Amino acid sequence: GAVVSQHPSRVICKSGTSVKIECRSLDFQATTMFWYRQFPKKSLMLMATSNEGSKATYEQGVEKDKFLINHASLTLSTLTVTSAHPEDSSFYICSARVLRYGYTFGSGTRLTVV
Amino acid sequence: QKEVEQNSGPLSVPEGAIASLNCTYSDRGSQSFFWYRQYSGKSPELIMSIYSNGDKEDGRFTAQLNKASQYVSLLIRDSQPSDSATYLCASSRDDKIIFGKGTRLHILP
Repeated sequence: GAVVSQHPSRVICKSGTSVKIECRSLDFQATTMFWYRQFPKKSLMLMATSNEGSKATYEQGVEKDKFLINHASLTLSTLTVTSAHPEDSSFYICSARVLRYGYTFGSGTRLTVV
Repeated sequence: QKEVEQNSGPLSVPEGAIASLNCTYSDRGSQSFFWYRQYSGKSPELIMSIYSNGDKEDGRFTAQLNKASQYVSLLIRDSQPSDSATYLCASSRDDKIIFGKGTRLHILP
């Protein structure tokens, strides 16, 4: 149980285009979803906290207009990287809190902007 | 600034030995503590969670929590090559989780 499905697992896009990443909670309702970015051999960096039915809360230094988060239902949260640039290339991971279990992670999305 | 501190390693342990991973946290109000394992290029997977002082054992893994010292540890017995990974310590309070930077563990065959 407590599975978060994340898609796509890998995406390559051209500079200036937008990419959408989806995270779905398969067997539970996730009122809150967390979005992380991780550069190679670096730690997880929390980007934003996504709350169902309300605006996401962004961490300091994260551009909300560049990283659009939508959490329209209790089972789906999306992160859209708008006007992507090579420096946005990273590993993006979503996570949800599951009661009595802890935090479960999606499988991650490797974004490469060329 | 609330933080979780870990030695980055790498920590090298012979196969079959006990690997000991340590972590300290700064927020005394932290309620829950977690150890995650992350293989290169993969997302973290939960190994252990611990909520109260003392030891918690699950198979080859034992988590230890000392809230007075703000210290969490993970012991891995009978270390296997497949245990080679980065181990992330995390603390949470009121649905806010903070991760350490991780300790790289290398099991020597």
